[in-house]
Amino acid sequence: NAGVMQNPRHLVRRRGQEARLRCSPMKGHSHVYWYRQLPEEGLKFMVYLQKENIIDESGMPKERFSAEFPKEGPSILRIQQVVRGDSAAYFCASSPGDRAAFFGQGTRLTVV
Amino acid sequence: QKEVEQDPGPLSVPEGAIVSLNCTYSNSAFQYFMWYRQYSRKGPELLMYTYSSGNKEDGRFTAQVDKSSKYISLFIRDSQPSDSATYLCAMIDQGAQKLVFGQGTRLTINP
Repeated sequence: NAGVMQNPRHLVRRRGQEARLRCSPMKGHSHVYWYRQLPEEGLKFMVYLQKENIIDESGMPKERFSAEFPKEGPSILRIQQVVRGDSAAYFCASSPGDRAAFFGQGTRLTVV
Repeated sequence: QKEVEQDPGPLSVPEGAIVSLNCTYSNSAFQYFMWYRQYSRKGPELLMYTYSSGNKEDGRFTAQVDKSSKYISLFIRDSQPSDSATYLCAMIDQGAQKLVFGQGTRLTINP
């Protein structure tokens, strides 16, 4: 059983471009979480999704950020018109619903 | 005040020492408590998962939860250089679904 798969592992975007981060949860997991981690800081919750539903997006910036978890395919975190401050490691975690979450290896976004 | 407080360290101890890592929290609704280990440039790895108060042991690792004091601990016995990593506590209340993390403690075990 493969773990949580995130791709790409590294992503470089110029200011103003769009970034798309993908997350495939573990088999049988229907809950997906996205977290952001800045250097020397802890994990900050962004959004919690179940299939086709956003359950809690209280940690998402109001503009430029969106997330989805379609019926088929991976969860996508989308950042439009990226700025330098978006540079961070973005982690996805999945859970079967018993609250123990397993993390992927992350996508490191660099905005130049 | 943060919901979860964790001393970021760094903490440096000699190989073989017993390591104690701690977190305090303010939300009395937290019921599930977890410890994650994160190596540099890797994703967090679930180490221990406990529900409510009590102790749980797994090999060299022991997790303790004291809900009356809103205090959780992770003990590492016979520490090894390979235990050098950042350790994050996390918790969640029964009604919510999001994990709230501490800042993480950076631990170094010196050979």
